[in-house]
Amino acid sequence: QSVLTQPPSVSGAPGQRVTISCTGSSSNIGAGYDVHWYQQLPGTAPKLLIYANSNRPSGVPDRISGSKSGTSASLAITGLQPEDEADYYCQSYDDSLSGFVFGTGTKVTVL
Amino acid sequence: QVQLVESGGGVVQPGRSLRLSCAASGFTFSDYGMHWVRQAPGTGLEWVAVIWFDGSYKYYADSVKGRFTISRDNSKNTLFLQMNSLRAEDTAVFYCARDRGYGGNRDHFDYWGQGTLVTVSS
Repeated sequence: QSVLTQPPSVSGAPGQRVTISCTGSSSNIGAGYDVHWYQQLPGTAPKLLIYANSNRPSGVPDRISGSKSGTSASLAITGLQPEDEADYYCQSYDDSLSGFVFGTGTKVTVL
Repeated sequence: QVQLVESGGGVVQPGRSLRLSCAASGFTFSDYGMHWVRQAPGTGLEWVAVIWFDGSYKYYADSVKGRFTISRDNSKNTLFLQMNSLRAEDTAVFYCARDRGYGGNRDHFDYWGQGTLVTVSS
């Protein structure tokens, strides 16, 4: 079972804004560890989307953004597009487990 | 460009062993930590193990500790995962992923391979 909790699914119409939460605890996000986000398109490997809470790798559009506060983080996608339909995972590090941890994953559906 | 290509997956009986490989190219392999991450069918991602850039430190998820061993050959730009005493619950796609740094606990995974499927079944 993951120590980072995400909503199983979120959906929105094309052009709308959706947000995905990632809730942790004092042993991971709350301990000051950065949160990173990955996008996994159907049948493919995960791809880095946001690193160190709010930074975009080159090639990731600026309609995708991340933030972190306290023991939680969130990913926002504005101007939702059909190609955004995918699974999204947050990731951090946990002191209690002494290991890297992923969120439970969120499926984004474009209506 | 960075490329990571996993191999070695297949069908194996419970209790047996399997060794996965990950061939790296397009970057200086010996400068980066490397990870194995797995994904059981229809489920989320699970971090498995990390090895530092020089092989000096290795850390494992509790679920595989004592059964799996991560290693690397920097002269051949290759990462390995030796999996012993395999169980049905180890069935998953195994991805190798590059650490953005040396393998420390504040890092993320900046490049991923395409994955190799391991099926543990009698």
